[in-house]
Amino acid sequence: EPEVTQTPSHQVTQMGQEVILRCVPISNHLYFYWYRQILGQKVEFLVSFYNNEISEKSEIFDDQFSVERPDGSNFTLKIRSTKLEDSAMYFCASSEGTEAFFGQGTRLTVV
Amino acid sequence: AQKVTQAQTEISVVEKEDVTLDCVYETRDTTYYLFWYKQPPSGELVFLIRRNSFDEQNEISGRYSWNFQKSTSSFNFTITASQVVDSAVYFCALSEVMTTDSWGKLQFGAGTQVVVTP
Repeated sequence: EPEVTQTPSHQVTQMGQEVILRCVPISNHLYFYWYRQILGQKVEFLVSFYNNEISEKSEIFDDQFSVERPDGSNFTLKIRSTKLEDSAMYFCASSEGTEAFFGQGTRLTVV
Repeated sequence: AQKVTQAQTEISVVEKEDVTLDCVYETRDTTYYLFWYKQPPSGELVFLIRRNSFDEQNEISGRYSWNFQKSTSSFNFTITASQVVDSAVYFCALSEVMTTDSWGKLQFGAGTQVVVTP
């Protein structure tokens, strides 16, 4: 069964460093998303991406964040100058237009 | 405004008991989707069900059943004869279909922690 894959599963980074979280969406999907879940809290929408551009973003998704689809298969989330409060589980999702399929998540720990 | 409300923070049951998780949503759209996801301790989100706003039939899948009532804007989830492996956080989510690329934009509830003890 096709699935969304995310790498790495866990990333530890020093405060102030840049991180790139990687996702490989399901191959025929056209819509891509990033979500964030701070430990013990609900899952929050960050951004949606379609046709090589951001289609919608939440207030969380400020200038510190960026997304990119550098080639035909990967979808990345870049977090610049990480802060302690960026520590969270980040989920990638893709959709063909009817429902979103989630990856297993990347746990980001900023120390 | 909170779109999806899961008022129960945690429910503890003994194995074989039934457990019902409440979900109340708020939307002005006539077309929308509702979802339930399971998040086990390992952290991934496991899709359980999707229901569109035009289909109010209740659904049963094994030990799981869902009760969708538009009149009360509720989409409740029942686990029958609970097992220890059901211990997880369960999230209800809403997708308001405003544009084609909104399908995957889900608004999650706060989640309900289910603890099943032997």
